[in-house]
Amino acid sequence: AQSVTQLGSHVSVSEGALVLLRCNYSSSVPPYLFWYVQYPNQGLQLLLKYTTGATLVKGINGFEAEFKKSETSFHLTKPSAHMSDAAEYFCAVSEGDTGNQFYFGTGTSLTVIP
Amino acid sequence: DTEVTQTPKHLVMGMTNKKSLKCEQHMGHRAMYWYKQKAKKPPELMFVYSYEKLSINESVPSRFSPECPNSSLLNLHLHALQPEDSALYLCASSQDFSRTLWGWSYGYTFGSGTRLTVV
Repeated sequence: AQSVTQLGSHVSVSEGALVLLRCNYSSSVPPYLFWYVQYPNQGLQLLLKYTTGATLVKGINGFEAEFKKSETSFHLTKPSAHMSDAAEYFCAVSEGDTGNQFYFGTGTSLTVIP
Repeated sequence: DTEVTQTPKHLVMGMTNKKSLKCEQHMGHRAMYWYKQKAKKPPELMFVYSYEKLSINESVPSRFSPECPNSSLLNLHLHALQPEDSALYLCASSQDFSRTLWGWSYGYTFGSGTRLTVV
C-alpha cells in the first residue's frame, strides 16, 4: 500500500528565501514520485517527477526535488522564492510500473511574503 | 496540443437539474480520469477510463454518470445533485493505464477544472 505525508499544511517564506516543502512516502515497491502545483482556481500542473535514474530531479520554474530512499523522502526545494510561487503543492506517489493509481498527499499551501 | 480542455469553467445548477461536464484531449492518451476536489484538499479519484472502457468507479453515487464516447472525449453527466457535491471537478489524462507498461512514469495531465456549485 502507498501513502504520502506532507509535513506542514501551510508554509510561509519571504521573497528570495529558500523554499522547502516536505514529502515522505511509504511504498511496498519502488515508487514513482511526483510534485504538482495548483494555482488558485486552476487544475494541477506537473512540476517534476522521479521514476528511475538520477535521484536529484529538476523541474519547471526553478524547482527541484531529491529522492532519498533511505529517508523515504522526496522534498521539494527552490533556492529563491518568487511571489508567483504562491500556490498549493501536492506530492503524489504511484506504485512504479506495477501501479495504476496516484496517491496524493494532503497538500501544502505556500505563501510568499514580500 | 498538450492540453486537457474542460468545459464549462463554472457551472451553477439546481438540485433537480441535469447537466454535463466535458473534457477533451488530443495527446493520444488512452487513459482519462475524473477527480473531485474540495477546497484545500487533494483531488479524490472518481472514475478511470482506459481505452474507452470504465476501469475504476470509486463507489461514486449514481447521480454522477461518466461517459467516454471516444478516446479524446470524456463526459460527466450530473443529475439530482446535492449541495455537498459542490466542488472543483478535474479531468486528467495519462498515456496509459496499465500494470505492465511504463505509462505511469509520465504522470497526469490535468485540465483546469469545472467549478460546480449546486444550489
